[in-house]
Amino acid sequence: DGGITQSPKYLFRKEGQNVTLSCEQNLNHDAMYWYRQDPGQGLRLIYYSQIVNDFQKGDIAEGYSVSREKKESFPLTVTSAQKNPTAFYLCASTHYSYTGELFFGEGSRLTVL
Amino acid sequence: DAKTTQPNSMESNEEEPVHLPCNHSTISGTDYIHWYRQLPSQGPEYVIHGLTSNVNNRMASLAIAEDRKSSTLILHRATLRDAAVYYCILIYEYSGAGSYQLTFGKGTKLSVIP
Repeated sequence: DGGITQSPKYLFRKEGQNVTLSCEQNLNHDAMYWYRQDPGQGLRLIYYSQIVNDFQKGDIAEGYSVSREKKESFPLTVTSAQKNPTAFYLCASTHYSYTGELFFGEGSRLTVL
Repeated sequence: DAKTTQPNSMESNEEEPVHLPCNHSTISGTDYIHWYRQLPSQGPEYVIHGLTSNVNNRMASLAIAEDRKSSTLILHRATLRDAAVYYCILIYEYSGAGSYQLTFGKGTKLSVIP
């Protein structure tokens, strides 16, 4: 079945450590997105990518980095520069279409100890 | 940036219709209105979208005001599985270079009473 796979589902990290969250899709989608969600809040855009080897900062990109070396993959690195990294992270993808339905992964919950 | 406004929470009795409102007074002519819903600790799920005309699918109906400044998601018979946070979002052109962003607010938390 086609879809988006995020891993790991749960992750614990010590302060000062970088951590990479994986996002893989087999939907042949062009665009991919990373969102952050805090308890009781909506989704805030971190980074997005419309094509391979290109990506743009979203509203809260500081302390995060991404890469898009393959169409199927869009990993997110939470660096030690991110002041408050504990959150629920969601990856999404869509066709490069103005009306396209956005498909989400199941999310990765990061806790900094 | 185009924004949407939704009530923080709503309640509905099971098997009754639910009307979830969304205001988007600054919507531009080419913005599409999308609705998603999210269960706890899960990723959001697409519900429906539209541009100008009302839309129906197996999950819900979307009623769009004639001036497009508001819309309403209609669940015809609420079930306990419909209890979720519902997001109304606009897809808009970000930089004019063909890149698009999707901005989510806090949504409406729908509670369904048995």
